Amino acid sequence: KAGVTQTPRYLIKTRGQQVTLSCSPISGHRSVSWYQQTPGQGLQFLFEYFSETQRNKGNFPGRFSGRQFSNSRSEMNVSTLELGDSALYLCASSLVPGMNNEKLFFGSGTQLSVL
Amino acid sequence: EDQVTQSPEALRLQEGESSSLNCSYTVSGLRGLFWYRQDPGKGPEFLFTLYSAGEEKEKERLKATLTKKESFLHITAPKPEDSATYLCAVQARGSSGDKLTFGTGTRLAVRP
Repeated sequence: KAGVTQTPRYLIKTRGQQVTLSCSPISGHRSVSWYQQTPGQGLQFLFEYFSETQRNKGNFPGRFSGRQFSNSRSEMNVSTLELGDSALYLCASSLVPGMNNEKLFFGSGTQLSVL
Repeated sequence: EDQVTQSPEALRLQEGESSSLNCSYTVSGLRGLFWYRQDPGKGPEFLFTLYSAGEEKEKERLKATLTKKESFLHITAPKPEDSATYLCAVQARGSSGDKLTFGTGTRLAVRP
């Protein structure tokens, strides 16, 4: 069974640009959540989607947005990139959100560098 | 606001030298406390979930315990392959979905 797949693996962008990251959850998983990981702050929750609806949102500015498609695949978008957006962006999937958090599976992440 | 503090930030052990990692938390009603392992260049990998004070779980050389204020991850006779960053996270009661609050982790290095 394939794991959570995130693409691309690495991205280099310049300030002011926008970026779209993709996440394909484990087959059958309907919930996708996104986290930002930086050395100083650790993992911080961005948002969570279930059945194409955003269920939860973290404390990030509106430049960070996401969506989920009918096949449960998810994308997140960051507009007007800032240097501080450089981070590892992790996607995690689960069968049904909150029902069994023991089975929250993470992808390997997209490493975003903003120059 | 939920908070998780992990200590130490980094730990170097000799192979076979047992030790413990600490996770202190503040949460408005604990729904679950989670331990993950993260290897360089990879996403976190689930290890344990603990739900109530006094609960313990074991997996190979790892044992996780939980009190009302903190959790410990005990590593018995570690091997070099146990080298990784260990992350602790909490979910508050009343929190919906999969929103977890993570600590910044403990980087463990085990020397042969």
